[in-house]
Formats: sequence, structure tokens, C-alpha cells
Amino acid sequence: QKEVEQDPGPLSVPEGAIVSLNCTYSNSAFQYFMWYRQYSRKGPELLMYTYSSGNKEDGRFTAQVDKSSKYISLFIRDSQPSDSATYLCAMTVLSGGYNKLIFGAGTRLAVHP
Amino acid sequence: KAGVTQTPRYLIKTRGQQVTLSCSPISGHRSVSWYQQTPGQGLQFLFEYFSETQRNKGNFPGRFSGRQFSNSRSEMNVSTLELGDSALYLCASSLGLEEGETQYFGPGTRLLVL
Repeated sequence: QKEVEQDPGPLSVPEGAIVSLNCTYSNSAFQYFMWYRQYSRKGPELLMYTYSSGNKEDGRFTAQVDKSSKYISLFIRDSQPSDSATYLCAMTVLSGGYNKLIFGAGTRLAVHP
Repeated sequence: KAGVTQTPRYLIKTRGQQVTLSCSPISGHRSVSWYQQTPGQGLQFLFEYFSETQRNKGNFPGRFSGRQFSNSRSEMNVSTLELGDSALYLCASSLGLEEGETQYFGPGTRLLVL
């Protein structure tokens, strides 16, 4: 079993839809949770970064962490065609992990006009 | 501020050869991490260098090695290439001072092994 599970999709939605992307994890030592967006032929770029359980909002994006259920989500409101990309969840251990990120498989999202 | 740069962007090699990839971090960043991305396995951590020392290592065979120079630039070497080494190799840089800090990725080097 992988440490981080993420449905690879693809997920296809119409423009303006609310998108929900999810990851589950098994290692309770994970403390930092991130969402990266990766466009085709580019490196991942950081979208959201959270530490504690709860919600964090940034514009059209909301990251949600539920440590008791070992479950994280990314919501995209009013989705746009420019949001079409692969979304990767990532997490790291607080102690001794430094910059070793463990990634989910990534979910391919297509937003069509 | 210039971002993370990687060279070359594309590379074609044959089985048994060796390859060296280069990564220049964001100015001021002392930590460089390397990742391998494949369709089957996703993004997997290779190793991290900080101040010329390997600080963290993933579960890859010894054919994969790296080093970091005094200017924080890093190189990754893969010896005796196998077909399964075909992948996008990404490096990421960060200040390296705190655990869990933000990493910034380069565009990657796409390696094809024939």
C-alpha cells in the first residue's frame, strides 16, 4: 500500500464547476500538506500549503486537512479552462524529514468551456 | 528572481550508458532535492543535498548518485542506464533551514533510454 493515495482521474468538468480533489494517507507522522499544480511539460508549482487540520482559502482555492481521518482535499471554485492540469498532493514528515516530499499519483483535471 | 533551472531539458541515451543532469537552484537556496517522475510510479524522492552534503535519501539503487557544489548547484548522475530509468527528472530548491519549507521546482530534464 502506498503512503499517499490519490485517484489519477482523469476528471473532466465544465467551466464554472466546483472541483474536489482528494488524497488519503497512512503515515500519521505527516505534518505538512501541500498541493502542487503541474502543467504539461512543466515542473510542479506550489498552490497551497497547510500544517494544521482545518481549511485554508486562497482565492478560488480551498485546502482542507482532516488529520483524524488522514484525508486532505483541494476545492476549486468557478473552475476555468486554465485550471486544466495535473494536481499533486504532497506531504512531509516533521521530524527528520527535511525536504523529502511524498507525493500522490496526481489527478489529471480537464475543464472544458 | 530567477527560478530553478535544469539542463539539459531533453536527453536520449542507450542502455548501459551513464548520464549527468544539472540543477541550478534559486539564488540563496542551499537545499536541492531530486525527484523522478514516471507515469507508473508518479513523483518519487531521490535525494536531498544541503551545503554539499547529502541530508536525505530515497529508495533508489546506488546507480543513482548526486553531488552539490559550493555554489549550491547540484548534479545527478545515473550510471549503467536501464530502460526503466526513462523519466522526467525534477529538482527542487529551498532555503533548507526549516523542515517542511516550500520547495520550488525546475522544469525538469526528460530522459529517454533506448
